Amino acid sequence: DAGITQSPRHKVTETGTPVTLRCHQTENHRYMYWYRQDPGHGLRLIHYSYGVKDTDKGEVSDGYSVSRSKTEDFLLTLESATSSQTSVYFCAISGSFNQPQHFGDGTRLSIL
Amino acid sequence: AQTVTQSQPEMSVQEAETVTLSCTYDTSESDYYLFWYKQPPSRQMILVIRQEAYKQQNATENRFSVNFQKAAKSFSLKISDSQLGDAAMYFCAYRSARGNEKLTFGTGTRLTIIP
Repeated sequence: DAGITQSPRHKVTETGTPVTLRCHQTENHRYMYWYRQDPGHGLRLIHYSYGVKDTDKGEVSDGYSVSRSKTEDFLLTLESATSSQTSVYFCAISGSFNQPQHFGDGTRLSIL
Repeated sequence: AQTVTQSQPEMSVQEAETVTLSCTYDTSESDYYLFWYKQPPSRQMILVIRQEAYKQQNATENRFSVNFQKAAKSFSLKISDSQLGDAAMYFCAYRSARGNEKLTFGTGTRLTIIP
């Protein structure tokens, strides 16, 4: 299995609080991605990174920011969480554009 | 923009039988990749099989095979000799070959295995 660790695995928080999710990889892969999974939508891309300090937006980026200061870590931040951001969040990594993405185990985030 | 459609929200199959999950996609590109991912109740996303659009030969991985019809933009997954451990959500996904492109997912098909 690809060495991807997401933390925390579960989190419950209140509307308006900041939340940071962490994705850590041990594969030294260049590309890292954050997706959210919601019923009826499959997985949708939030942000992705193609190198240290190089990030770009996905299709559902509003309300989210990311940072990548080291190859191995990709952080997803909800500056002020809203109930619509309740979801399961997946991190994925890929060594190159023609390699498949491998996923972490996901983080279930509930915002009350 | 690319879209991926899985028209079967749920499927069921008897253990040891064969089942086919459907996927269609829409793209104007000629070079891309297609994937099937499996998500069991444990929530993991597990790569099942991939297909490069430039390859005419259908990909196979043990009991899993695909029927890739490029002109029809169809990419179905066949599971032979279904096992209880195959029960899961199955997602079809598309990825452009242009660069660091995202995966575009379908909405999934929930597969139930009947003992």
